[in-house]
Amino acid sequence: EVQLVESGGGLVKPGGSLRLSCVSYGFTLRGYGMNWVRQAPGKGLEWVSSISSTSNFIYYADSVKGRFTISRDNARNSLYLQMDNLRAEDTAMYYCARDRPYSYDISGPTSRINWYDPWGQGTLVTVSS
Amino acid sequence: DIQMTQSPSSLSASVGDRVTITCRASQSINTYLNWYQHKAGKAPKLLIYTTSTLQDGVPSRFSGSGSGTDFTLTISSLQPEDFASYYCQQTYTTPRATFGQGTKLEIK
Repeated sequence: EVQLVESGGGLVKPGGSLRLSCVSYGFTLRGYGMNWVRQAPGKGLEWVSSISSTSNFIYYADSVKGRFTISRDNARNSLYLQMDNLRAEDTAMYYCARDRPYSYDISGPTSRINWYDPWGQGTLVTVSS
Repeated sequence: DIQMTQSPSSLSASVGDRVTITCRASQSINTYLNWYQHKAGKAPKLLIYTTSTLQDGVPSRFSGSGSGTDFTLTISSLQPEDFASYYCQQTYTTPRATFGQGTKLEIK
């Protein structure tokens, strides 16, 4: 079965750090662009960050730029999100999600056509003193 | 940034009803619009991509239409398993994709 499983969430104080992980099962992460999306309590979905299959292209939402770092280890079928200088407003369920096939080439995104499938079930991050 | 506005924010309906959810973009996004279903505690699920293409395995009672700035998701005959939240997503600015605020579909 094709699936993604996140881990690493927890309770952290403002200013603290966490590292989220996302592991793929049933498919090789290597060939796909990957994403992190979050959902704050009672709110909608918010795109956080994206990374191309070779890590050559990386993007962040303005709300996390300079504080979060996305990375991947294709040999381990793993995606990561290093979150530093956490704020209360970062409290959310964090999901990883896979791009459609061939979403990037050596020049960057190949098309405006994209979708996220599958998604993981999420890992909860709570930032509170 | 492109803003995505869904309406209604919540909706009560009965099994068998026909339901329509609307998503409006703040500028034209052509047909770069996807729909997801999300149940509490579960992974969000892709329903429809590029406005009207049904993802494999999604029942045919789901359909999507629109172009430019106005889009709709229609469920032709609600089933008990359809009660969930629904989100639109624009990928015109991919990879910086943005989502609507969601529509919660509840049982009447």
